[in-house]
Amino acid sequence: DVVMTQSPLSLPVTLGQPASISCRSSQSLVYSDGNTYLNWFQQRPGQSPRRLIYKVSNRDSGVPDRFSGSGSGTDFTLKISRVEAEDVGVYYCMQGTHWPWTFGQGTKVEIK
Amino acid sequence: EVQLVESGGGLVQPGGSLRLSCAASGLTLSTYWMTWVRQAPGKGLEWVANIKQDGSEIRYVDSVKGRFTISRDNAKNSLYLQMNSLRAEDTAVYYCTRNYGRCFDYWGQGTLVTVSS
Repeated sequence: DVVMTQSPLSLPVTLGQPASISCRSSQSLVYSDGNTYLNWFQQRPGQSPRRLIYKVSNRDSGVPDRFSGSGSGTDFTLKISRVEAEDVGVYYCMQGTHWPWTFGQGTKVEIK
Repeated sequence: EVQLVESGGGLVQPGGSLRLSCAASGLTLSTYWMTWVRQAPGKGLEWVANIKQDGSEIRYVDSVKGRFTISRDNAKNSLYLQMNSLRAEDTAVYYCTRNYGRCFDYWGQGTLVTVSS
């Protein structure tokens, strides 16, 4: 199985400051169709996961533009340009290129 | 608006059984692969089982093979997970998810399964 490794696992951030989460895969995530199926999810406390980003850098409908995704091959990043209180929660990367699809361990974002 | 609503969770003794259901609205279930994903308390996310649109292909994570059965009733727009021989390590919130674009794009609110004596 493809191993997804996130860092850091805990990220204390000051309101209004940027935040960055790294996700690395044990294999290239480029699929045979040329797409890279790397996705990001947000899970707020007590809620189910919500997809934020699909195929590396595409924001889902309703996702604020302070969230952005980037990367290629095996190295990917989720950035929050200015953290707001509602961004507190756990963020997961997930690959959909190789079956079984796998998740990272999660990064807990909290306010300092 | 797409909604996935899980039900059927609860407290069960080790070795017991439960049947989870997922009722879909705002989408035609027969168009999509569907997956159950679980999350143990304080832990990460793990796919459990998924099923093709017509039920002709089914996959399970190794830890539930032979104990869990995923099924669907497209006429009722519903997804199911029959869980037998439950173990303490099956304790988790179970989410019903839609598969689209090689991702789990819509998730239900989850149903908690607790296996304990």
